Amino acid sequence: EAGVAQSPRYKIIEKRQSVAFWCNPISGHATLYWYQQILGQGPKLLIQFQNNGVVDDSQLPKDRFSAERLKGVDSTLKIQPAKLEDSAVYLCASSLILGETQYFGPGTRLLVL
Amino acid sequence: KQEVTQIPAALSVPEGENLVLNCSFTDSAIYNLQWFRQDPGKGLTSLLLIQSSQREQTSGRLNASLDKSSGRSTLYIAASQPGDSATYLCATRRDNFNKFYFGSGTKLNVKP
Repeated sequence: EAGVAQSPRYKIIEKRQSVAFWCNPISGHATLYWYQQILGQGPKLLIQFQNNGVVDDSQLPKDRFSAERLKGVDSTLKIQPAKLEDSAVYLCASSLILGETQYFGPGTRLLVL
Repeated sequence: KQEVTQIPAALSVPEGENLVLNCSFTDSAIYNLQWFRQDPGKGLTSLLLIQSSQREQTSGRLNASLDKSSGRSTLYIAASQPGDSATYLCATRRDNFNKFYFGSGTKLNVKP
């Protein structure tokens, strides 16, 4: 069974630029999560989808971050414009249904200069 | 808001040693607590999940305990091996649909 796929694996941008990350969850998984993990900290949930609907986006900085899961399968997370403090690893996870075991992708490491 | 703390932040031990990783949380009204392993450049892998009604869970050389009243959990690793080197994270949930609250992790290095 293929795991959660994420791309790109690494990205370096300058502040005020835009960036987008892509996630393809495990086939059949209805729930998709985006986490931000700053160096030395645990992951923090940014947004959680159930199919193509948002369940929780309370910790998403909506002035600069956006995410979508239009067809209830893969998802994109966008930052526009990026700030230095956005440097982090962005992890995507999926689960069969809400509340079930989450399977994590390898993450996208973002460096904002 | 739940605060999860893991001490120490880093730990280096010789191979074969038994060790304990600590996790504490401020809100005892948890649904479950989960221990994860994170390898460099990789995502998180679930190791053990303890429901709030349980006291401990075991998997191979790993044993996790939970004391809700004191807001503490420990992960015991027996006979450590170099392959155990990774960052270990604990996370709690208030209910089965609530978000995870993660600690900042303990980076373990097991020396051959």
